Amino acid sequence: DVKVTQSSRYLVKRTGEKVFLECVQDMDHENMFWYRQDPGLGLRLIYFSYDVKMKEKGDIPEGYSVSREKKERFSLILESASTNQTSMYLCASSLTIPGTRSDFGPGTRLLVL
Amino acid sequence: QQQVKQSPQSLIVQKGGISIINCAYENTAFDYFPWYQQFPGKGPALLIAIRPDVSEKKEGRFTISFNKSAKQFSLHIMDSQPGDSATYFCAGSGGATNKLIFGTGTLLAVQP
Repeated sequence: DVKVTQSSRYLVKRTGEKVFLECVQDMDHENMFWYRQDPGLGLRLIYFSYDVKMKEKGDIPEGYSVSREKKERFSLILESASTNQTSMYLCASSLTIPGTRSDFGPGTRLLVL
Repeated sequence: QQQVKQSPQSLIVQKGGISIINCAYENTAFDYFPWYQQFPGKGPALLIAIRPDVSEKKEGRFTISFNKSAKQFSLHIMDSQPGDSATYFCAGSGGATNKLIFGTGTLLAVQP
């Protein structure tokens, strides 16, 4: 079974802080994703990466950046946290074979004060 | 347009009843339609998925019905149990990136 782990389950940060969310997967998946989950809005894609050092913007990239220096690790960075970035952040990974499953981590619930 | 529209937003079903959640998509390039189940405090987990070359897929008590011409698909949970109480998300994706476009979710409560 794919295991996707996220560095923190809960985080509390101050407005303006730089925030790092880390995700690691152990099944050699090429694709990795960061989604944001908000009530009534479902899951929305922030960024994804299909290879080391490769990244593409998702639907809501503003205020976020990402880093993928190793295949198994994908980091989401909030350069200057704002209160509207309070949310649940979910990391996922998948193979590049079309129509294969994405496996999700447990999520990081971020509160920005 | 990439939206996936999901309804209802919430659903209450009696134990033993049938739960039905509906989704509609717009992007005809989608070729993979999964349903995810999410319990409180957990990440979403793949429940069942279908490709558009079949009209129905069944796994135990869970069935996806797919209508390609109408661009609609639905999840049926037969003999619903209290342990099925969770949030369900439909999604669509196309191509090797496997980017998922999610519906807004349905909160299902199965009453004993």
